[in-house]
Amino acid sequence: EVQLVQSGGGLVQPGGSLRLSCAASGFTVSTNYMTWVRQAPGKGLDWVSVIYGGGTTYYADSVKGRFTISRDDSKNTLFLQMDSLRAEDTAVYYCARDREGYISGWPTYYFDSWGQGALVTVSS
Amino acid sequence: SSELTQDPAVSVALGQTVRITCQGASLRSYYPGWYQQKPGQAPVLVIFGQSHRPSGIPDRFSGSTSGSTAFLTITGAQAEDEADYYCSSRDSSGNPLRVFGGGTKVTVL
Repeated sequence: EVQLVQSGGGLVQPGGSLRLSCAASGFTVSTNYMTWVRQAPGKGLDWVSVIYGGGTTYYADSVKGRFTISRDDSKNTLFLQMDSLRAEDTAVYYCARDREGYISGWPTYYFDSWGQGALVTVSS
Repeated sequence: SSELTQDPAVSVALGQTVRITCQGASLRSYYPGWYQQKPGQAPVLVIFGQSHRPSGIPDRFSGSTSGSTAFLTITGAQAEDEADYYCSSRDSSGNPLRVFGGGTKVTVL
């Protein structure tokens, strides 16, 4: 059974740092795309970052240069290092397995498994 | 602002059919994913590709696309289908970024 278990949320002051973890079971993180998504209080889903199996990473403009996605293949765990945090980064952060494939010859992208979420609050 | 546009809210009578729309240029190139999110819970994938359902998703959920619009249809809506629904796809500019629609709140009357 595919499962993603998150840890690491909490309260941090503006300008501070926090690292989120996402431990996977039932599949291998290093051979999959993995994504972080966040959801500010009362708002919609907002894509944050993806890491490809080969290690290539991409970020939303809103977090580029401040957040770093990485993984530890020996622990089958995904991370999100968040630096220079701002009040507007306050959100529930979800990790998800990111799937890319072809269906009837047409490319498709979707997130098929999600972690339970971790609340990050940036406030003084 | 989101590159995928959804109506903020829609209502449906119990047992009736509701169609949720998602519009965006990227949908001309990529099939979307659709997610159901209930309060306090993580999103759950309900449709991927054009109309593929993950294991455990009832067959009253279906998907389709037409040009730059994707549709999620719930046929015979149940009380437990009341939730927020989001579409997602890849960025339309060719960058390998992902995007979400703003979400549609479905109320079952």
